[in-house]
Amino acid sequence: GAGVSQSPSNKVTEKGKDVELRCDPISGHTALYWYRQSLGQGLEFLIYFQGNSAPDKSGLPSDRFSAERTGGSVSTLTIQRTQQEDSAVYLCASSLTGTANTEAFFGQGTRLTVV
Amino acid sequence: AQSVTQLDSHVSVSEGTPVLLRCNYSSSYSPSLFWYVQHPNKGLQLLLKYTSAATLVKGINGFEAEFKKSETSFHLTKPSAHMSDAAEYFCVVSDITDSWGKLQFGAGTQVVVTP
Repeated sequence: GAGVSQSPSNKVTEKGKDVELRCDPISGHTALYWYRQSLGQGLEFLIYFQGNSAPDKSGLPSDRFSAERTGGSVSTLTIQRTQQEDSAVYLCASSLTGTANTEAFFGQGTRLTVV
Repeated sequence: AQSVTQLDSHVSVSEGTPVLLRCNYSSSYSPSLFWYVQHPNKGLQLLLKYTSAATLVKGINGFEAEFKKSETSFHLTKPSAHMSDAAEYFCVVSDITDSWGKLQFGAGTQVVVTP
């Protein structure tokens, strides 16, 4: 596609339910990132995939959060047993190589509201 | 690990006057530095990037930034503000001590442009 696509654009869920957020990166991009943007918290790194390497999961806030990337393309971020503090905009980005000289292209985000 | 500090959370300028957004970074190695802009309800867009080439970097929409290693700064400037420049701006750093993909975002500077 022309850009990074995220779905859904908005998600309202009840506390305790599981949610899945999807990211379609730009075709051919080997690196994929998930960030979270909350009011008062800025942009927070969650997880980073680079090619076939083991992902850098150091930003995941708890074991309720997990992500996978199938076939080096589409990624799914899963939040289990959602809590109100999980409410945020979840941003996905991709870059061609994930190295210093390449820019990250961001999707429009998924706004998650936990009620 | 790297970090970045945006010195102003809000900047208000009159249309046609210069814009200065200040950013200081901390990095153990030669960093890559970026400025991203986020317009209301829009995704993050790259304005410009520094990756150890020229220290004065020109970006889109008339913005530029100067990398000053001695001051560990990467301030963003524009000679003449437009109404369309009203947005939130993020200074971002990455370096090799962390995975290159772990972009470290500043807290953001909200720019207001008055007629």
